[in-house]
Amino acid sequence: SQQGEEDPQALSIQEGENATMNCSYKTSINNLQWYRQNSGRGLVHLILIRSNEREKHSGRLRVTLDTSKKSSSLLITASRAADTASYFCATLTDSNYQLIWGAGTKLIIKP
Amino acid sequence: DVKVTQSSRYLVKRTGEKVFLECVQDMDHENMFWYRQDPGLGLRLIYFSYDVKMKEKGDIPEGYSVSREKKERFSLILESASTNQTSMYLCASSARQLSYNSPLHFGNGTRLTVT
Repeated sequence: SQQGEEDPQALSIQEGENATMNCSYKTSINNLQWYRQNSGRGLVHLILIRSNEREKHSGRLRVTLDTSKKSSSLLITASRAADTASYFCATLTDSNYQLIWGAGTKLIIKP
Repeated sequence: DVKVTQSSRYLVKRTGEKVFLECVQDMDHENMFWYRQDPGLGLRLIYFSYDVKMKEKGDIPEGYSVSREKKERFSLILESASTNQTSMYLCASSARQLSYNSPLHFGNGTRLTVT
């Protein structure tokens, strides 16, 4: 099946800086979701943005969605060491409501 | 808070063994899912269930089966474990069908090694 693609694959920044991750997808979607995974653990849902929404905020997280470009970005502002994790986007197709996952971006926050 | 509990964090089994991975959720969720996660491949859906005794194949069901006898429990079965089934297995649940914008709640995963 098709997959979303996150970009970059890995990102290393200093604590306090902003981190931006991107996700591109191929098919028409119902919604797009971002999840975080700490090393060796399960995934935690961060934010869901519907196809008719363009921007959504949750605390230090800001997600944008551009359906014309089939892409989304996740911005984490004022990063902290605890933000070190892998971040995954998942798109829910609007044809058969399957959730398609990207391979993830590994984010490292340096103290 | 939703709690999804997977019975084992780490499991080592031998080739040919029958393996049971158990998952229990405590929030009366209708939907449950089994994924496997391999580096660089993201999450791949093995099986899912929208109701008790109901199961649907995902993208990679070969070599696996599932059981959902009770609403809160969803078991993944490797009929005859093989080395290519060495992976991280993740169980998830959702309150409603995904089409209702219902996010997934994941367990902590079971890292299975087949030798």
